[in-house]
Amino acid sequence: ETGVTQSPTHLIKTRGQQVTLRCSSQSGHNTVSWYQQALGQGPQFIFQYYREEENGRGNFPPRFSGLQFPNYSSELNVNALELDDSALYLCASSLSPSGRGETQYFGPGTRLLVL
Amino acid sequence: GNSVTQMEGPVTLSEEAFLTINCTYTATGYPSLFWYVQYPGEGLQLLLKATKADDKGSNKGFEATYRKETTSFHLEKGSVQVSDSAVYFCALVDSNYQLIWGAGTKLIIKP
Repeated sequence: ETGVTQSPTHLIKTRGQQVTLRCSSQSGHNTVSWYQQALGQGPQFIFQYYREEENGRGNFPPRFSGLQFPNYSSELNVNALELDDSALYLCASSLSPSGRGETQYFGPGTRLLVL
Repeated sequence: GNSVTQMEGPVTLSEEAFLTINCTYTATGYPSLFWYVQYPGEGLQLLLKATKADDKGSNKGFEATYRKETTSFHLEKGSVQVSDSAVYFCALVDSNYQLIWGAGTKLIIKP
C-alpha cells in the first residue's frame, strides 16, 4: 500500500509568483485535506476535497485554490505569493470526510520559501 | 469558535520518567479528539484518538482519556524513551470536518 506522497519536497519562489503543489492520496482514499504549517506552529486547515468537490474551507483567501482529480490526487495552487506564505504545506488523505474520528494520513509536506 | 490549547514546550525529561502533556479544548458538541506526533524529519502520524466521552485512546504505551467534564485530552506515558523525542500535537475535528490543532509541544528525552 502506497502512502501519501507530495511533490516537490522543497520550493523557492519570489513574491507575486504562483505555485502549484501536488499530492497523491493513499490507495482507496477519496478525501484530501490541505494544511499550512508555519514554523513552530500547528497546522492550519486550508480546505478539503471529497470526490472532486470542495468540501470545506478554512480561513484562507481565494488566492489559495485547489483541485481534485478523478484518481483522487490533488493540487494546491497559490497565486500572488506573499512572504507570509512561507511554510510547510501538508496534504492528508482519508477514507471519507466523516468527522467522527476518521483518521487522516499525512504526506511529508512541501516546504515553500517565498523571497 | 473551536480551539485547542496544549502546554507549551519544550518539555525535557529523563529516560523512564512519567510524561503528561496537557491538552484542553473548546468546541460545540462532542468532537473526536486526536494526538498526532511529528518525529524529526518525518511527517505527522496519528498516535491515538478517541471519538466519545470517557473513551481512552492508546498506542505505543501512550494513553489519553476523553474527559467531557473538564474538556481535556491529556497525553500520558508511564516510562518515556529517547525515541519518544518529537513534537506532539493535540487536535479535534469539528462539524465541518476540519482538524483544529494545538500549537504543538516539543518533547526532549535525555538518556
